[in-house]
Amino acid sequence: AQSVSQHNHHVILSEAASLELGCNYSYGGTVNLFWYVQYPGQHLQLLLKYFSGDPLVKGIKGFEAEFIKSKFSFNLRKPSVQWSDTAEYFCAVETGGYNKLIFGAGTRLAVHP
Amino acid sequence: GAGVSQSPSNKVTEKGKDVELRCDPISGHTALYWYRQSLGQGLEFLIYFQGNSAPDKSGLPSDRFSAERTGGSVSTLTIQRTQQEDSAVYLCASSPSDRANEQFFGPGTRLTVL
Repeated sequence: AQSVSQHNHHVILSEAASLELGCNYSYGGTVNLFWYVQYPGQHLQLLLKYFSGDPLVKGIKGFEAEFIKSKFSFNLRKPSVQWSDTAEYFCAVETGGYNKLIFGAGTRLAVHP
Repeated sequence: GAGVSQSPSNKVTEKGKDVELRCDPISGHTALYWYRQSLGQGLEFLIYFQGNSAPDKSGLPSDRFSAERTGGSVSTLTIQRTQQEDSAVYLCASSPSDRANEQFFGPGTRLTVL
């Protein structure tokens, strides 16, 4: 069965530190990849997505993610985090034709000023 | 510019009771999804509706769970004879197509089964 692994469950950073959150999936076929974010008290919202083309995808608020097919990975990065990035981040995969997202367990990011 | 809405926002029930959770998708969105988020876990797919097609029920954990979507819009998730392990946040999402291109999520219903 397809699965998504987020290796970091909790990450604590100081403002201006760089961020990388790991995401690996298990599926050998075509995938669509997503990162969602849930800020405290708010809905889940899409941060960025990859369907095809350039494997380096840029999203909102300065986030980017790189799809490395050989590693089955889609890591999220931000060069300099802000306090307002404190949130829970979810990686998700859609495997071709199934029309449903398979989510990782999420990573809670706390950014201290 | 209404987003996905869900009601109630919180529901506390006793073990063995039935509950109904409601989702109003974004107007014009043809696809509707239900997910469940249990404490410390990621979101778990439950069921997917696309237009008038038969729903994908592959994620429903037991036959106590059912869902319907009336008129291609509002959806109701019903849990019969609730158990404590059903306690979770139930999230609804909708998307404008039959692909999970971008799912717009509602605020969720937090269900607590005592």
